[in-house]
Amino acid sequence: AQKVTQAQTEISVVEKEDVTLDCVYETRDTTYYLFWYKQPPSGELVFLIRRNSFDEQNEISGRYSWNFQKSTSSFNFTITASQVVDSAVYFCALSEEGNTPLVFGKGTRLSVIA
Amino acid sequence: KAGVTQTPRYLIKTRGQQVTLSCSPISGHRSVSWYQQTPGQGLQFLFEYFSETQRNKGNFPGRFSGRQFSNSRSEMNVSTLELGDSALYLCASSPELLETQYFGPGTRLLVL
Repeated sequence: AQKVTQAQTEISVVEKEDVTLDCVYETRDTTYYLFWYKQPPSGELVFLIRRNSFDEQNEISGRYSWNFQKSTSSFNFTITASQVVDSAVYFCALSEEGNTPLVFGKGTRLSVIA
Repeated sequence: KAGVTQTPRYLIKTRGQQVTLSCSPISGHRSVSWYQQTPGQGLQFLFEYFSETQRNKGNFPGRFSGRQFSNSRSEMNVSTLELGDSALYLCASSPELLETQYFGPGTRLLVL
């Protein structure tokens, strides 16, 4: 069965600090997809990134970067020089090959303090 | 391009009533999925529709049902509401099956 664990329930940082959100997943499939979504107070889930299991290359998008390591079944998300607007709940999710439904972690609430 | 829209945004019902929520996907998207979000259970998958056919169903009782129309718009219905059905119901659309899902703002349902 598939499972996503986000061990950090809440993180609080001061603006301009770097912060890493952890995500550990479990799946028996060799082909799967990993996602990160951001949920601001408005409630809408905002798509950030999708990664397939065969692409372990790290990705950087502006202040955001993602580290995918199959050896440890982790897909961690780092925000560099955090800003107040980054305050939100961040969800890591997994879908298996041939199966659209997303399995979400419990989310990490990030608070960035000015 | 307009995003996923959901109506109504907020809803208050009483136990035993039924409710219908609506979702309009991003233009050109053919797949629609529904998720329930509660503080206790987190985000859980309800259904997935593609070409008016239910492709997948999550582990929810039969009181939860849905459908998709020929224009890809989707509705979900919850009959005989219970207090535990209070949640944020999120709709997501994707161009085709197995592609990235883009979420709407959700409908907040409160059951009294």
